[in-house]
Amino acid sequence: ETGVTQSPTHLIKTRGQQVTLRCSSQSGHNTVSWYQQALGQGPQFIFQYYREEENGRGNFPPRFSGLQFPNYSSELNVNALELDDSALYLCASSYYRDGYEQYFGPGTRLTVT
Amino acid sequence: ELKVEQNPLFLSMQEGKNYTIYCNYSTTSDRLYWYRQDPGKSLESLFVLLSNGAVKQEGRLMASLDTKARLSTLHITAAVHDLSATYFCAVERQGGSEKLVFGKGTKLTVNP
Repeated sequence: ETGVTQSPTHLIKTRGQQVTLRCSSQSGHNTVSWYQQALGQGPQFIFQYYREEENGRGNFPPRFSGLQFPNYSSELNVNALELDDSALYLCASSYYRDGYEQYFGPGTRLTVT
Repeated sequence: ELKVEQNPLFLSMQEGKNYTIYCNYSTTSDRLYWYRQDPGKSLESLFVLLSNGAVKQEGRLMASLDTKARLSTLHITAAVHDLSATYFCAVERQGGSEKLVFGKGTKLTVNP
């Protein structure tokens, strides 16, 4: 069974640029959730995708957008990067309504300068 | 709006001692999760607590849930250095669908 994978591992971008982060969900999982974890903080929910549709969103501006593909992998796109976007971005996959288990990927560390 | 508060935020303890981390949340939820995070790493699932009165134990860690008090505890027994990490509780938003609200975390340091 393949776990959740994310790419890239680290990324450095300049303010105003755009970035795409990728997540491959665990085999058999149809739901992907994205979280932002600023340094020293708990993760914050960005949005969730279920069967290629957005299924809920946290308090993040529209410049944070996402996609889920037919194989249930997912992308997180951030436009017009700001310094405060520097964080660890985590994706978690699960089988929707399978009860309770989300599996987190290793994360992408984004630094905006 | 669901809020999750953990305390303490920082905990330094001696090996062999016991301690408890507390997690309070503000609105009704039936699912609570505990995660461990090592520096620079992702989240490792420790416990999933699904109902009032649930108690789960793994090694030196034991978690419990009181949904009426909106309180969960993570008890550490006879701490060892390997338990040094940051521990997060997370509560599922009402209505389910696994959208989690996390506490700020408790950074645990176990000293020899």
